[in-house]
Amino acid sequence: DAGITQSPRYKITETGRQVTLMCHQTWSHSYMFWYRQDLGHGLRLIYYSAAADITDKGEVPDGYVVSRSKTENFPLTLESATRSQTSVYFCASSTLAGGNEQYFGPGTRLTVT
Amino acid sequence: GIQVEQSPPDLILQEGANSTLRCNFSDSVNNLQWFHQNPWGQLINLFYIPSGTKQNGRLSATTVATERYSLLYISSSQTTDSGVYFCAVAGTYKYIFGTGTRLKVLA
Repeated sequence: DAGITQSPRYKITETGRQVTLMCHQTWSHSYMFWYRQDLGHGLRLIYYSAAADITDKGEVPDGYVVSRSKTENFPLTLESATRSQTSVYFCASSTLAGGNEQYFGPGTRLTVT
Repeated sequence: GIQVEQSPPDLILQEGANSTLRCNFSDSVNNLQWFHQNPWGQLINLFYIPSGTKQNGRLSATTVATERYSLLYISSSQTTDSGVYFCAVAGTYKYIFGTGTRLKVLA
């Protein structure tokens, strides 16, 4: 049981390029989340999804696009990458059943040059 | 929005020592989690504890929701406890993270 996986684990891209980070979970959790982690800020929510085809903005959504056509996948796209989007990106999922305990993927370290 | 403050920001311990990490939050919450981020960057769930007390081995946590704080206790610390400890709180499903307590345990 793989749980929640992210790919790629490391990515270097150039300013202005489009890049997509993938997130896949095997638990059939209804909720999925994207966070970014920057030094001094902890983790901040970018976007979340309550179910397939239902997404909403978090705290720092500008410059990002998400989609969720299948329950198990939640890709995050940077349409035109900027240096300020250099960060570590974490995907998480939860059921919301009996509370909201979130489980995190291993993270993707993205560098925009 | 909800503000989350963690203290202390940094902590250095000798192996075998005990410690208490604190998380204060500014509004009522229905969800609270403690995470350990190890030196490799992995986020490990420690406790889901919106209220009450839980224990798991050398670690325990207490949340007093009415007073808006949570405590994480680490007893007999080991070098593998090193890393950053995050508290995260949520009204429903949108968690707000504190900036963490960075713990270093010396052998």
